[in-house]
Amino acid sequence: AQSVTQLDSHVSVSEGTPVLLRCNYSSSYSPSLFWYVQHPNKGLQLLLKYTSAATLVKGINGFEAEFKKSETSFHLTKPSAHMSDAAEYFCVASRGSSNTGKLIFGQGTTLQVKP
Amino acid sequence: IAGITQAPTSQILAAGRRMTLRCTQDMRHNAMYWYRQDLGLGLRLIHYSNTAGTTGKGEVPDGYSVSRANTDDFPLTLASAVPSQTSVYFCASSRTWGRSERDEQFFGPGTRLTVL
Repeated sequence: AQSVTQLDSHVSVSEGTPVLLRCNYSSSYSPSLFWYVQHPNKGLQLLLKYTSAATLVKGINGFEAEFKKSETSFHLTKPSAHMSDAAEYFCVASRGSSNTGKLIFGQGTTLQVKP
Repeated sequence: IAGITQAPTSQILAAGRRMTLRCTQDMRHNAMYWYRQDLGLGLRLIHYSNTAGTTGKGEVPDGYSVSRANTDDFPLTLASAVPSQTSVYFCASSRTWGRSERDEQFFGPGTRLTVL
């Protein structure tokens, strides 16, 4: 069965320091992978997506993620955190194959940014 | 351009009552989805529609029904609400279904529903 695991439920960093949000997936094939961000009381916004092209994906607001098939990982990084980055982040995989359009969500990671 | 709108923003509902959550998109997307978000569980798919006139069940469909009479609207109905349906509900849409698994889903702002 396909699944997405976000390894940390909560991450706290200081403003200006690097951000690392970890995500592992399990799948019998190479899925499409996404990172979404959810600010308080808001809907989800797409940060970036991997679709079997370049393994290093650049997204909005300085975020990027690297797809590593050997590690089944798709960790999200940013060199320098801003206060505005404080939010909930979701790693998401598509089911692919005949079930395209259905997404599998990780449990979410809350990013806290301290001044 | 509004994208996806949902109504109401929040609602407190007595158990046993019927409730319809509204969702409208103006992007002419073919596919639409309803999710519920619960703490520690991420988002789970309730129902989906790959095009107007068709619907399908997601992971947690029990107690919910949907209809897709046209491209823009995708209402979610709770026929007889129960406390376990207390959640935040998100409507989403994507451009295609069945052609590309890579399409981004666009999300509405959510409806916070409390069933007492």
